[in-house]
Amino acid sequence: EVQLVESGGGLVQPGGSLRLSCAASGFTFSRSWMSWVRQAPGKGLEWVATIKQDGSETYYVDSAKGRFTISRDNAKNSLYLQMNSLRVEDTAVYYCARRAAGADGADYWGQGTLVTVSS
Amino acid sequence: EIVMTQSPDTLSVSPGERATLSCRASQSISINLAWYQQKPGQAPRFLIYGASTRATGIPARFSGSGSGTEFTLTISSLQSEDFAVYYCQQYNNWPWTFGQGTKVEIK
Repeated sequence: EVQLVESGGGLVQPGGSLRLSCAASGFTFSRSWMSWVRQAPGKGLEWVATIKQDGSETYYVDSAKGRFTISRDNAKNSLYLQMNSLRVEDTAVYYCARRAAGADGADYWGQGTLVTVSS
Repeated sequence: EIVMTQSPDTLSVSPGERATLSCRASQSISINLAWYQQKPGQAPRFLIYGASTRATGIPARFSGSGSGTEFTLTISSLQSEDFAVYYCQQYNNWPWTFGQGTKVEIK
């Protein structure tokens, strides 16, 4: 069974940093592109970043460029999102998601971790 | 950035009726479109990819169509568990973008 479990969310002040983690199991993590998607309270979904299987390619939404870094450790079956210079508008539930194998879109999602940026 | 626009924002439908949801892209995305369902407090569920291919385990009452800039998700006979918010997403260009969502509610 595919499982994605996010952790690392919490309350942080504007300008602060936070590192999210996603532990993957039930599939060959090293063969999957992985993404982070967020959802502000009461709002819609926003794709944040995606990383290729070997980490050689990464893509970001404009608002995350220069502040967020997506990375992975295939030996640990883990995905990360380092978030720096956090803003109030980064407040959201952050989901880890697997890019669908043989298709596209995100076929498996974690339950999310809440990041609150507030003073 | 490709802007995805869904309509309507809210759709009121009786159980057993058909629901038709629309999604428009600001430029052509071929068939590089996915649909998701999200219920309150839950992660999104993958429904459709390639504009019309159902994901594994998705009931046949869900169907997708369209190409280019105009897309449709049809739920042929709404069941109680189908009342939720539905999102379209394009993966033709980076950054991937979602529509704002259509809430399907009980009439």
